[in-house]
Amino acid sequence: QKEVEQNSGPLSVPEGAIASLNCTYSDRGSQSFFWYRQYSGKSPELIMFIYSNGDKEDGRFTAQLNKASQYVSLLIRDSQPSDSATYLCAVKMGGTASKLTFGTGTRLQVTL
Amino acid sequence: NAGVMQNPRHLVRRRGQEARLRCSPMKGHSHVYWYRQLPEEGLKFMVYLQKENIIDESGMPKERFSAEFPKEGPSILRIQQVVRGDSAAYFCASSRAGTGGAGQPQHFGDGTRLSIL
Repeated sequence: QKEVEQNSGPLSVPEGAIASLNCTYSDRGSQSFFWYRQYSGKSPELIMFIYSNGDKEDGRFTAQLNKASQYVSLLIRDSQPSDSATYLCAVKMGGTASKLTFGTGTRLQVTL
Repeated sequence: NAGVMQNPRHLVRRRGQEARLRCSPMKGHSHVYWYRQLPEEGLKFMVYLQKENIIDESGMPKERFSAEFPKEGPSILRIQQVVRGDSAAYFCASSRAGTGGAGQPQHFGDGTRLSIL
């Protein structure tokens, strides 16, 4: 079992729709969860981070965390073509100093 | 530019040469992390440093790779006697010092694309 799992996609959504990106992790002691956006050939860009169970909203983005289910998700409302990118889920696992463990990413395509 | 600065952006080396990658953290950040991204693969942690200290090097290959973050100057990732398999994008990230168990958000530089001929 991979430590951080994401569906590789591509996930295709029409412009204006809600995109839902999901991530599961294996370590119950994981403490911090991050979503990064990476355009092809570019560096990862921090989108959201969440530490506590529940929802955290920032503009069109909402991160959702369920530690009991070991599940974290990212919702993108009113999806735009510029949102088309690979979204990386990253987890700080318990007892691992500060390093992040990344999933392989989900490729999102927002169609016109 | 107050972001994480990496140089060079692109580096070409022949097999057997040395590669040196540099990273200056964001202003106010004291923690530096190096990650490697192979084509079509995810980001893999290599090493975590604070000034003059290696905190976690669990992701570093045992041979040919080393990292430092001196008291003055940028962090350096050094790869000796490079081989074709070292071709990858190397990203540096930085963060503030954390409190408690939660990790501080890490911000990434633009990366160095290393190509081995």
